[in-house]
Amino acid sequence: GIQVEQSPPDLILQEGANSTLRCNFSDSVNNLQWFHQNPWGQLINLFYIPSGTKQNGRLSATTVATERYSLLYISSSQTTDSGVYFCAVGTRNYGGSQGNLIFGKGTKLSVKP
Amino acid sequence: DGGITQSPKYLFRKEGQNVTLSCEQNLNHDAMYWYRQDPGQGLRLIYYSQIVNDFQKGDIAEGYSVSREKKESFPLTVTSAQKNPTAFYLCASSRETVQYFGPGTRLTVL
Repeated sequence: GIQVEQSPPDLILQEGANSTLRCNFSDSVNNLQWFHQNPWGQLINLFYIPSGTKQNGRLSATTVATERYSLLYISSSQTTDSGVYFCAVGTRNYGGSQGNLIFGKGTKLSVKP
Repeated sequence: DGGITQSPKYLFRKEGQNVTLSCEQNLNHDAMYWYRQDPGQGLRLIYYSQIVNDFQKGDIAEGYSVSREKKESFPLTVTSAQKNPTAFYLCASSRETVQYFGPGTRLTVL
């Protein structure tokens, strides 16, 4: 099945720094989402981005589907950005449903004041 | 407010017992999902349902069962056949492609 690899596994930043998180996937996808899991376990959807570039405030994401990777950029990081960032991909071959997602293991981000 | 609720937040089970985790959504979403998360790991799909009265196994369905009698509800039963049930369980729903998650249930087997 499709493989999803995220890097780096851990990242420690000083408040105000910028960062780039990477997601590589092994096959063509028609669904790619980025999530943030806060320290209490809640997952929040950040972007639905199977291709192209999107921006939302200090966060932006780019997916290059032909090269099978996606990047999540965090600018001017804040302590509230801490948590785990997950990339998840979907393909029609996975259960025959466009909605089913395969998750990477995540990048754990710690932002220090 | 629209959203997804899961209950209970914490659940303790003795070995050999079945337990049922609740998931309810009022987003009018057709599809619902159950995931399991182990420490330091990503989420793995247990079961999913795209429509009422229909559901499919995910990657790790053994030892679990579900029902989908109402559009709003997708309960998960963790049976005694599940060998290592201690984990964080997350429920999600979607209309088409974007999934939204509930707050999760932490299950501990004593």
